[in-house]
Amino acid sequence: QQQVKQSPQSLIVQKGGISIINCAYENTAFDYFPWYQQFPGKGPALLIAIRPDVSEKKEGRFTISFNKSAKQFSLHIMDSQPGDSATYFCAASRGFKTIFGAGTRLFVKA
Amino acid sequence: NAGVMQNPRHLVRRRGQEARLRCSPMKGHSHVYWYRQLPEEGLKFMVYLQKENIIDESGMPKERFSAEFPKEGPSILRIQQVVRGDSAAYFCASSPPVPGGNTEAFFGQGTRLTVV
Repeated sequence: QQQVKQSPQSLIVQKGGISIINCAYENTAFDYFPWYQQFPGKGPALLIAIRPDVSEKKEGRFTISFNKSAKQFSLHIMDSQPGDSATYFCAASRGFKTIFGAGTRLFVKA
Repeated sequence: NAGVMQNPRHLVRRRGQEARLRCSPMKGHSHVYWYRQLPEEGLKFMVYLQKENIIDESGMPKERFSAEFPKEGPSILRIQQVVRGDSAAYFCASSPPVPGGNTEAFFGQGTRLTVV
């Protein structure tokens, strides 16, 4: 019940394309869904986050789509750039407890 | 304002030795979280501490692992009698106190522990 399932494990996208990463959760008590970006040798950094009372949140080229009834949410990276190449983690949290997905390695080809 | 500082960045220990990982939270942050990241896996919650208190240690192995966050000084994650399976990246995160709500946690760069 505490799991967050993330897919795909890895993703290769052409420069300018759309990168889509999907996550699903089980526990309906989660009330905050952040996405983190991690570059090699660095700690994760918050990219964008959403609460379940909205279905979509957009910040620049990054959009979270949230489907509360399906208990799914996804990250869309528009106009993907080589600099976006990193590992992306979705997460679900309530209070201080955050459960992370296993991560998606994104590689954007120039 | 310096970010979350973890040291050492890399730590090599022989089986049976002790490993001490340090984390200095961001200024003004009184909440510290420790996570473990195995290769090709996400971050696994280990423990949540506030100054001088362990709030939740449900992710900590029952033996050999301990954590503290003293009134003065950094938070320490201690692993006694390390085994090869302890090899991982250990990340610390900190956040300010936000009563009842979610707040962004800022991560350090991690300590990569290798047990040989």
